[in-house]
Amino acid sequence: NAGVTQTPKFRVLKTGQSMTLLCAQDMNHEYMYWYRQDPGMGLRLIHYSVGEGTTAKGEVPDGYNVSRLKKQNFLLGLESAAPSQTSVYFCASREGQTSGGANVLTFGAGSRLTVL
Amino acid sequence: EDQVTQSPEALRLQEGESSSLNCSYTVSGLRGLFWYRQDPGKGPEFLFTLYSAGEEKEKERLKATLTKKESFLHITAPKPEDSATYLCAVQRQGAQKLVFGQGTRLTINP
Repeated sequence: NAGVTQTPKFRVLKTGQSMTLLCAQDMNHEYMYWYRQDPGMGLRLIHYSVGEGTTAKGEVPDGYNVSRLKKQNFLLGLESAAPSQTSVYFCASREGQTSGGANVLTFGAGSRLTVL
Repeated sequence: EDQVTQSPEALRLQEGESSSLNCSYTVSGLRGLFWYRQDPGKGPEFLFTLYSAGEEKEKERLKATLTKKESFLHITAPKPEDSATYLCAVQRQGAQKLVFGQGTRLTINP
């Protein structure tokens, strides 16, 4: 059982190039998230999805696009990379809303992106 | 706006020296407060969920507690393998997302 898998693990881009980060989960989770983590700033939510075919903006969505065409996959795209997008990106997933307690996030191992 | 502030930013302890990490939060209607552990180069791993003031949860040398304004992660007689960054996050009632603090980087020296 792999959990949440992110590809690639490392990538170096030049300013203006485009790329896509792939997140795949095998737990049949409804919700998926993309976060970025920068030193001293913790995890900040970029975009998220509450089910196949849905997406929503988080706190720092500018410069990113996402798609959730299949329930198990959540793609994060950078159309024109900028140095400010140098960061470590984490994908996470969780079960759908249930009555009672909150749900736990399962994270991938991260994708380190450098934009020169 | 939901906010989470963790302190201290970094903490260095000797093996066996107990201490506490703080997580202060502001949220309208708490659904859950989460503690995660993150090792260098890895994604966060879930530790605890707390739902209401007064609740406590324990796991090995860690104990998490919750009040209406803050949560503490108490570490008793820590070992070097407890070295990691500890993240706190909150989820508001009806919200789909978690808001994270900036984390506390804990180092346990042998």
